[in-house]
Amino acid sequence: AQSVTQPDIHITVSEGASLELRCNYSYGATPYLFWYVQSPGQGLQLLLKYFSGDTLVQGIKGFEAEFKRSQSSFNLRKPSVHWSDAAEYFCAVGPKEYGNKLVFGAGTILRVKS
Amino acid sequence: EPEVTQTPSHQVTQMGQEVILRCVPISNHLYFYWYRQILGQKVEFLVSFYNNEISEKSEIFDDQFSVERPDGSNFTLKIRSTKLEDSAMYFCASSRSENTEAFFGQGTRLTVV
Repeated sequence: AQSVTQPDIHITVSEGASLELRCNYSYGATPYLFWYVQSPGQGLQLLLKYFSGDTLVQGIKGFEAEFKRSQSSFNLRKPSVHWSDAAEYFCAVGPKEYGNKLVFGAGTILRVKS
Repeated sequence: EPEVTQTPSHQVTQMGQEVILRCVPISNHLYFYWYRQILGQKVEFLVSFYNNEISEKSEIFDDQFSVERPDGSNFTLKIRSTKLEDSAMYFCASSRSENTEAFFGQGTRLTVV
């Protein structure tokens, strides 16, 4: 069965520091890959997606993610975190034949220290 | 920027009552979805809808659940007889096609008492 693992439940970083959120997936073939962010009281906002092509994808708010097929990973990165980045981040995968039946990870809560 | 809107943002209902959650997808989108997140658990796929019929549903989506597109703009999720375990955040989403990204609404928090 498909699964997504986000090993870090909580992460705390200082404002201005770099960030990496980990995501590993278990899937029969390379799926579509997504990162969503949820701020308190808000819905799920799409940060970025990987469908095919360049394995380093750029998203909104200065985020990027790298797909590594050999490691079944799709880690999210940001070089310099801002206090407004504090939120919960979800990695999700979907099958290529039906991309939007998404399987989500458990989420990582990001706290930003000033 | 177009967005998916959901109403109400919070709903409290008594066990056994019917509840309807409403969503207005992005206007040029053709595929619609419902997901839910029970507190402390993962976001889970419930159902997808295209061309006025269900295209896929999960095991969670049993006979107590139904979806409808009653007019050209709304997409609804009905729970016929709510149970305590239906308490969750319900997210609506839409996409232009089945292979483009889905955009989510802000969610409806359903509390069954």
